Amino acid sequence: SAVISQKPSRDICQRGTSLTIQCQVDSQVTMMFWYRQQPGQSLTLIATANQGSEATYESGFVIDKFPISRPNLTFSTLTVSNMSPEDSSIYLCSVEEGGPTGQASGANVLTFGAGSRLTVL
Amino acid sequence: TQLLEQSPQFLSIQEGENLTVYCNSSSVFSSLQWYRQEPGEGPVLLVTVVTGGEVKKLKRLTFQFGDARKDSSLHITAAQPGDTGLYLCAGSETSYDKVIFGPGTSLSVIP
Repeated sequence: SAVISQKPSRDICQRGTSLTIQCQVDSQVTMMFWYRQQPGQSLTLIATANQGSEATYESGFVIDKFPISRPNLTFSTLTVSNMSPEDSSIYLCSVEEGGPTGQASGANVLTFGAGSRLTVL
Repeated sequence: TQLLEQSPQFLSIQEGENLTVYCNSSSVFSSLQWYRQEPGEGPVLLVTVVTGGEVKKLKRLTFQFGDARKDSSLHITAAQPGDTGLYLCAGSETSYDKVIFGPGTSLSVIP
């Protein structure tokens, strides 16, 4: 399965600033996904990033707040803009690939990076 | 709107005990996945189930997909401290739909 590297692994930021999270995959992938995991909660999809086109955002997330770049098939960035304490979360990058049953099964299996833990003061 | 519910939300047990975690939905899913997430890490895939009624075993873990493909369970036999973590079920209605995650079950196994 793919190996995903995310950085920074954690950061403490001041209110009103912006932070860019980088995601590097060791193989070429069509789609990359950005998730948010708020403290003690599950994962919420922010957006899907395809190379060569604008990211597709889920309800409740907008490009001005979470701009995404996808310059090639192995790399993506997520920026959290004009941060507030409510943005304190773990941000996770993931890719979709065949799992134990293989892609032929149609199973949407995800591999994740270790996440970027963001604390906004 | 697709929703996945999990129960229990929190579970604290002694080493050696058995436990079952449930994942339920009112929607039919083409497949369901179970992930385990440890602190400071991203979720890691444990298993995928795709056929209604399917049972899969992974050492001390047994996964079942409901006949109607609306629910799944994870049973752990003789839990060990290394099983501690957040267990997430996830799935999509079709292979073209986005993956949604349940709220998770936080398991703590006390030595």
